[in-house]
This record gives sequence, C-alpha cells and structure tokens, in this order.
Amino acid sequence: DAGVIQSPRHEVTEMGQEVTLRCKPISGHNSLFWYRQTMMRGLELLIYFNNNVPIDDSGMPEDRFSAKMPNASFSTLKIQPSEPRDSAVYFCASSLIQNTEAFFGQGTRLTVV
Amino acid sequence: ELKVEQNPLFLSMQEGKNYTIYCNYSTTSDRLYWYRQDPGKSLESLFVLLSNGAVKQEGRLMASLDTKARLSTLHITAAVHDLSATYFCAVTTSGTYKYIFGTGTRLKVLA
Repeated sequence: DAGVIQSPRHEVTEMGQEVTLRCKPISGHNSLFWYRQTMMRGLELLIYFNNNVPIDDSGMPEDRFSAKMPNASFSTLKIQPSEPRDSAVYFCASSLIQNTEAFFGQGTRLTVV
Repeated sequence: ELKVEQNPLFLSMQEGKNYTIYCNYSTTSDRLYWYRQDPGKSLESLFVLLSNGAVKQEGRLMASLDTKARLSTLHITAAVHDLSATYFCAVTTSGTYKYIFGTGTRLKVLA
C-alpha cells in the first residue's frame, strides 16, 4: 500500500479564498483523522471519522472549516474563507482499529497570504 | 479533557550519553504511542504500548508504560546524531478513537 496520500503537498493562497485539502487513507482502515500542526499550538486534532461518519469535530476551530468523507477512500478538509492564521501544516492520518497506531500522510503545507 | 504533557520540551545531548523523555497524561488510558518527526517531514510510528508494564525496544530506544502512574518513558541509550528529531507521545482515551498528542520533545544530539 502507498500509505496515506494527501494533496496538494503545498498550497499558497490569498486571504478570502477557498482551500480544499484532500486525503486518501490506507485501504481497509476505518478511522480517519485531520490534524493541524503549528509551532505555537503543536499537533491539534481537528476532526475524526469512524466508518466515514464524523465522530468528533470539537477541534474544528471555526465554521469556516468543514470536513467530509463521502466514502471509505476519500476525505476533504475545506477552509472558506481562508485567513492568514490558518497557515499551518495539515496532516491526515488513518488507522485500522483503536489498538493500532495511526499512520500519517506527508501533510499539506498551507500558506495564506 | 485529556491532556498529554511531555518533558523536556527541548533536549540537547552529547553523543554516547543516555537520557529519558517523559510523557504524562491526565485521564485513564492504557494505549500509548510514540512517534518520531524529522524536520519538514511526517510522523513515523515508533512504538505501540497497549498494557500496563509494556516495554518495547528498537535499537537505542526503549519505551515503557505505567498506566497506574499515567506515565510513559522513552529512554535513549548511547545517543547518536541520527536520533536527532522531535519525539511525540500520543494517547487514545478509553472508549473513543481520538489520538491526543503531547507537546513533543525536540532532541538534538551533538557530535
């Protein structure tokens, strides 16, 4: 398996624009997680899905953020409108069951100017 | 709310020395994970500790878990430069699937 695949790897956008980050989890994994990493706040869990259903979105910072998982092999994280403080590295991770580790994608480095 | 704390946050050590990184968590959990992150890279799983008293070793790294003390340690033996990275511990809460990460420990091994 190729692992968790995220796209794009880098995104530079202007404030106010819509940004969509994409993730393909490892085949067969039933849990998917979106994290945001910054120097100031470390690794923050934004939302996680279990069997394509959003379980906990309490980490989503604002209504500008939304996430979907239409099927077991694809998820998106959308920011609309984007702001400079959204600049961070966004990681997607997936896991098979609770007792195993989560596997991380390469991340998307988002810069909002 | 589950909180995971690591110390130290930064660690600079000489090659050949031993040191321990500590991970404390605030609520009941018996599943703990250690990850490594190189600068600009993703997180790589190192160890999965699933029960009280669990000990895992890989090369110069050894991780242990004490669920009663809510404490995990990552021990580094005879450090080498290649171990320079940021190390994270993560905990999943009982009954949920959330992986909550600690603050990370940035390790720099000096030649």
